[in-house]
Order: sequence, then C-alpha cells, then structure tokens
Amino acid sequence: DTEVTQTPKHLVMGMTNKKSLKCEQHMGHRAMYWYKQKAKKPPELMFVYSYEKLSINESVPSRFSPECPNSSLLNLHLHALQPEDSALYLCASSQGGVRDGRFYGYTFGSGTRLTVV
Amino acid sequence: KQEVTQIPAALSVPEGENLVLNCSFTDSAIYNLQWFRQDPGKGLTSLLLIQSSQREQTSGRLNASLDKSSGRSTLYIAASQPGDSATYLCAVTSGYGGSQGNLIFGKGTKLSVKP
Repeated sequence: DTEVTQTPKHLVMGMTNKKSLKCEQHMGHRAMYWYKQKAKKPPELMFVYSYEKLSINESVPSRFSPECPNSSLLNLHLHALQPEDSALYLCASSQGGVRDGRFYGYTFGSGTRLTVV
Repeated sequence: KQEVTQIPAALSVPEGENLVLNCSFTDSAIYNLQWFRQDPGKGLTSLLLIQSSQREQTSGRLNASLDKSSGRSTLYIAASQPGDSATYLCAVTSGYGGSQGNLIFGKGTKLSVKP
C-alpha cells in the first residue's frame, strides 16, 4: 500500500458544528502532516507529527485540533470554524528519517474539500 | 528564509511539444527537491524526487535536474500530451528529512496542453 487515504472527500459544515477529518497510511511512515491549501495558492503547513508526537504547530488557531492516535492515523478536529477556513486540507506522510542513507520524499492524500457556511 | 520561485506561472503549448518548467530556490542547503503534479481540486501526486547528492532523475517522459550550487531545478516534459495539463509544484526540504524537514513550495506552473 503506497497511498495516503483521506476522508471525507468533501465536507460542508456550519460555523457552530464540530467535525473531524481523517487521514490514514499503511506505509510504515512515522511522520504525518496537515497542510491547508487555498485556491491558486501552494499548500501551507499546519501541523507535523513525528512518532505520534506533535512536533510542529505553525501557529494554527485553536479551532483546529490535531490528533495522532497511532502511527497510521491522523485526525484533524474542527470546531467553530469561520468561512475563511474553507479550503482544501491535505494530509501527507514521510518515513520520518533516513533509510539506507536516503530520504524517500513525501506522499500526499487527495485532500478534503472543506466549505464553512 | 528559504524561498522557492517557479517560472513561468502559466504555460500553454500545443500537443507534442517538449517543454521545460523552472524552479529556483534561495538557500542551496537543501536536503532534496520534489516535483509534484496537482489536478484542479485534487491532491498532490509526486512525480520525481531528487536527493541533494543527485543531479537528475527520470521517469518516463519526465526528467528533472538539480543544480544545488546555482539554486535551480528544471522539469523537462517530452512530447507533451493533453493529459499533462495540470499545475506543477516544486518543493524543497531544507535540513534533515522527515519531521525535521518542512516542504517549502513554489507557487506552481499551470500547464495547458492543447490538442
């Protein structure tokens, strides 16, 4: 399995709702990432988990709450979002270090298109 | 601070042409460089990864080169096809890979290949 799977593919939520995005990989990667991408812009890093521990939070508002229950699963819990949070949310993973002297790059999921109304 | 620039921002070519997409970065201390493809509203598909010790990588009709000293990479697409139409993103990892490294993206080149 060489994929990162994200669910749901599309999500519409109200500003008072609570929802979660899910990301799963079975490549044995030990680093997982959340990125946010607005239209016609490159992805921007939100969070990094390394060996199930949060290692980077790029000053993301607390209405976004990440969780890494195990090495294969990454969640992003959403609460009280604003319309400007509407975007494509991408999950990625990487091996979390160097293997055989090489780094094998990042694998991205297909994203969740989030619309906040 | 590492900055990645991609030129041109958009490119339209007739089918069958060979083309080159350019990427430059300001800090040559990169760990690797990765080219991605993104279709509208979709996720990123990795095309080629070049380790900092490598000069180029090839996959099918794609060839990517890396010149760390000048801070440049090119993605060469041979015999372009309409199915190649997409946005192409260049990203570098500065420092150690994995969780210690963060992908720094360029703004992308939007490619349109006309039948």
